[in-house]
Amino acid sequence: QVTLKESGPTLIKPTQTLTLTCTFSGFSLTTDGVGVAWIRQPPGKDLEWLGNIYWDNDKRYTPSLESRVTITKDISKNEVVLTMTDMDPADTATYYCAHRCSSGRCFDYWGQGALVTVSA
Amino acid sequence: EIVLTQSPGTLSLSPGERATLSCRASQTISSDFLAWYQLKPGQAPRLVIYHASTRPADIPDRFSGSGSGTDFTLTISRLEPEDFAVYICQLYGYSPLFTFGPGTTVVIK
Repeated sequence: QVTLKESGPTLIKPTQTLTLTCTFSGFSLTTDGVGVAWIRQPPGKDLEWLGNIYWDNDKRYTPSLESRVTITKDISKNEVVLTMTDMDPADTATYYCAHRCSSGRCFDYWGQGALVTVSA
Repeated sequence: EIVLTQSPGTLSLSPGERATLSCRASQTISSDFLAWYQLKPGQAPRLVIYHASTRPADIPDRFSGSGSGTDFTLTISRLEPEDFAVYICQLYGYSPLFTFGPGTTVVIK
């Protein structure tokens, strides 16, 4: 059974760096083809893909946020970590981590999401 | 950048009725690259259709997907109470690598 769960701060101040952790089970990020994504949804807005990390440590980021976003993995802990610098109130959102489909073209398992509010 | 639009924004139906949701791309896309998700507050999003028309094993057969080119449809043949939710289409393979539509909210009439 595949599960993912996001954890981290619920409130962060502008200009600070956000660190969110996705703890997963039911799969291994050392298996060929496996990938984990970070996706967010600001209140009242569309879902936005932030980036993927893959079994071979390849990474892909959305171009508009590439300078601010870093995704890393800790295989020993079954964790994927999202780091986003210089947070702004516009970054207030529910942040999800998700397991990439075997085809690579969708996400077949998601976490419940973590609401992060950016406010002074 | 390819933009996805969804219509209607809100669909008001009764249980047992048929729901037809539209997702339109701003240019022709491969149907292999189109997926649909169900979102409910406080729950993990759920993949309901991938490759435009393929249903994951755990999704009931009242859900179906169709379409090609720029126009895609998610159909729920007979709405069950648990189907009232937001449905979002997603595109893979362009820039950015994954793009989501704004969603259609299916509400109980």
